[in-house]
Amino acid sequence: ETGVTQTPRHLVMGMTNKKSLKCEQHLGHNAMYWYKQSAKKPLELMFVYNFKEQTENNSVPSRFSPECPNSSHLFLHLHTLQPEDSALYLCASSPPPGTSGTDTQYFGPGTRLTVL
Amino acid sequence: SQQGEEDPQALSIQEGENATMNCSYKTSINNLQWYRQNSGRGLVHLILIRSNEREKHSGRLRVTLDTSKKSSSLLITASRAADTASYFCATGGGSNYKLTFGKGTLLTVNP
Repeated sequence: ETGVTQTPRHLVMGMTNKKSLKCEQHLGHNAMYWYKQSAKKPLELMFVYNFKEQTENNSVPSRFSPECPNSSHLFLHLHTLQPEDSALYLCASSPPPGTSGTDTQYFGPGTRLTVL
Repeated sequence: SQQGEEDPQALSIQEGENATMNCSYKTSINNLQWYRQNSGRGLVHLILIRSNEREKHSGRLRVTLDTSKKSSSLLITASRAADTASYFCATGGGSNYKLTFGKGTLLTVNP
């Protein structure tokens, strides 16, 4: 295990539901990421947070709303999703720049989301 | 736009054989990384090679980097069934934190 946990591991939701994905890292990292992985597509970066500040929003629809209350926790709030949003959502973290291993990202196991 | 592109898309070998996967990229890099992903799981970092390095080893893994050709290869020697996974190369990182991944090579090692 890499020290990055995600809950829930599986989620099925209707298009009118509101749900949240949670990510927690126990590695003392400052940067956290949300990625979307769909079948037959490259990993898509969604959001980047650095010391709780959002530094990247990769043109993600507003039905995905991230929240980073502190450097150890990251949430992805979901509302009025579409079936095409069904995918594996991966959280990752990385050390601060200038430290050893800063370019390496540590991934959680992912949340398999199905939107009906 | 996609930076890393792995080749082949899928590779099936017998246990004990070597597996070679290739990655091509488009722009200049500071380093290149390889990750492994077991089915439906998160990615696991395997190895990082810097732009001033040509070859790096880690256990049964050997990575080469040719910056003139903008390509890298990952060799897994004496493969095992447990090596069955998707393998991704990634470029980027550093101060802008962004890694760009390719679509991956699905490696199947048959017992």
